[in-house]
Amino acid sequence: GAGVSQSPSNKVTEKGKDVELRCDPISGHTALYWYRQSLGQGLEFLIYFQGNSAPDKSGLPSDRFSAERTGGSVSTLTIQRTQQEDSAVYLCASSAQGTQYNEQFFGPGTRLTVL
Amino acid sequence: DQQVKQNSPSLSVQEGRISILNCDYTNSMFDYFLWYKKYPAEGPTFLISISSIKDKNEDGRFTVFLNKSAKHLSLHIVPSQPGDSAVYFCAASVQTGANNLFFGTGTRLTVIP
Repeated sequence: GAGVSQSPSNKVTEKGKDVELRCDPISGHTALYWYRQSLGQGLEFLIYFQGNSAPDKSGLPSDRFSAERTGGSVSTLTIQRTQQEDSAVYLCASSAQGTQYNEQFFGPGTRLTVL
Repeated sequence: DQQVKQNSPSLSVQEGRISILNCDYTNSMFDYFLWYKKYPAEGPTFLISISSIKDKNEDGRFTVFLNKSAKHLSLHIVPSQPGDSAVYFCAASVQTGANNLFFGTGTRLTVIP
């Protein structure tokens, strides 16, 4: 079946612009995660959605970052007033229930470059 | 603060030999550990995991060893195959609301035919 998809695959933007990154999780998966990987770093947790519960935003690096998950499916990560340090690969993952032992399936990522 | 560390950015091994990838962690609350494999332009894919109540888990050519007292785990691949060439990420989690994963920086494995 279809895996996690993300769009766009690449995004180049100018400093100060807003960007939106999209994630389509695996159908039926209730848990959705956003991570990012900066150059030379491991994947860093950003935000977690589980069903209709309030999201866990504990990993968001600043208030310029926000995310929504509409209808319990598609998610959009928005970065306002982008800075050069926001340049990274942004990865989305989904899992069946979001418990510790549920495998997280990752999308291919969106490579964001802020000039 | 990097709670999961992979100190070897790269490793090269001959086809048929054993590959050993290492990982260290600092948070003693971690109780579940995973290895993910990543090919270029793809997302990481789950490879193998181990719970903190075990010290070894084996799946075919892949074995993960956990040494809790040393806060160290390793992934053994034997025999190594050229198709194993990829970046391998170690990850850990603690049972919390998000159950999010904490990742290392990855080790690039190259298996030489």
